[in-house]
Amino acid sequence: DTGVSQDPRHKITKRGQNVTFRCDPISEHNRLYWYRQTLGQGPEFLTYFQNEAQLEKSRLLSDRFSAERPKGSFSTLEIQRTEQGDSAMYLCASSLLSTGELFFGEGSRLTVL
Amino acid sequence: QQQVKQSPQSLIVQKGGIPIINCAYENTAFDYFPWYQQFPGKGPALLIAIRPDVSEKKEGRFTISFNKSAKQFSLHIMDSQPGDSATYFCAATPQTSGSRLTFGEGTQLTVNP
Repeated sequence: DTGVSQDPRHKITKRGQNVTFRCDPISEHNRLYWYRQTLGQGPEFLTYFQNEAQLEKSRLLSDRFSAERPKGSFSTLEIQRTEQGDSAMYLCASSLLSTGELFFGEGSRLTVL
Repeated sequence: QQQVKQSPQSLIVQKGGIPIINCAYENTAFDYFPWYQQFPGKGPALLIAIRPDVSEKKEGRFTISFNKSAKQFSLHIMDSQPGDSATYFCAATPQTSGSRLTFGEGTQLTVNP
């Protein structure tokens, strides 16, 4: 499978715990995006990388959120001190710089109890 | 300025019907307009996209109509099938923003047999 891969697919955690999600983009794609989707809503942009550089962060990305793409390949999204409002699907997407067409992974669903 | 408004919220048609989903935008800098299809528990999948230099694009049973002056675009699904039942999202981006997509709120389509 050469699509965007996300892990874990589902994470249940208690409020206050830290969680980390991983995204492996399509191998030749140099852009990587994180979005958040709540039930019944469209995806909302969080941040994106071009190679290893984080080029933009949304105001939705509070200080408790951090994303990295250390070698320009896979990326991690960490949420510290989770809150119930963080419960959502976290989607990763990747694209080629030349086309701008985003290909999404199947998402990591977070449930904060 | 960044909003994309989508309607209707839900749509039910009979097999063979032609559902139409509409989107309107405000930001005149938007120059790439994709549509995504999402099944429950899956990530969004790119369906078809259009740039404002054309007024219509067809791919198989899916057609985008684009009205630049009205800042509106719509998705038509010809000969709809029960397998088309899914949530559809329009999106838009100024490609100079790194292809950061702004999504509509989604339309839940049900195609009855």
